[in-house]
Amino acid sequence: GAGVSQSPSNKVTEKGKDVELRCDPISGHTALYWYRQSLGQGLEFLIYFQGNSAPDKSGLPSDRFSAERTGGSVSTLTIQRTQQEDSAVYLCASSSLQLYEQFFGPGTRLTVL
Amino acid sequence: RKEVEQDPGPFNVPEGATVAFNCTYSNSASQSFFWYRQDCRKEPKLLMSVYSSGNEDGRFTAQLNRASQYISLLIRDSKLSDSATYLCVVNSRGSSNTGKLIFGQGTTLQVKP
Repeated sequence: GAGVSQSPSNKVTEKGKDVELRCDPISGHTALYWYRQSLGQGLEFLIYFQGNSAPDKSGLPSDRFSAERTGGSVSTLTIQRTQQEDSAVYLCASSSLQLYEQFFGPGTRLTVL
Repeated sequence: RKEVEQDPGPFNVPEGATVAFNCTYSNSASQSFFWYRQDCRKEPKLLMSVYSSGNEDGRFTAQLNRASQYISLLIRDSKLSDSATYLCVVNSRGSSNTGKLIFGQGTTLQVKP
């Protein structure tokens, strides 16, 4: 069956522009997570969705970051006024329940020039 | 202090060697524990869950010591294909019980012919 998909796979943008990253979770998975991995760093949690609601946004680094999920499925992560320090791989994961195995998508590699 | 700590390595071992990775975590309320594997420029993939009773999957054995807040992974008879970064992962149970994963920095393994 289809795994988690993310688009675009690569995004290069100029500092100050807004970007939208998309995640399509595994069908039927109610829990969705966004993480990011900066060069040479570990993965850091950004936000968690259960259905369409986001009970845990504690990892969002600033108010330039926001995310939404509609229809309990696709999620978009939006970064406004991008900065160079936003350059990273943004990974999405989904799971059937919040404490179960998380399956990761291939990630979006964001480069801010 | 990082919530999940690992020796970053690299561990360089010959084929056929046995290698052990260790990890400590700081949150005593953590509920679930995992080892993920991440190949270069790829997404993390679950290698195995870790249980207090210990669990084995082929050449891989994982152990959890809750009292010491310590997790280990043993790889026997290393193969070239085992070369990757091994991530120690803890499910951090916060007040919202979100199931977000806290990742260690990863331990890099290079298996040489």
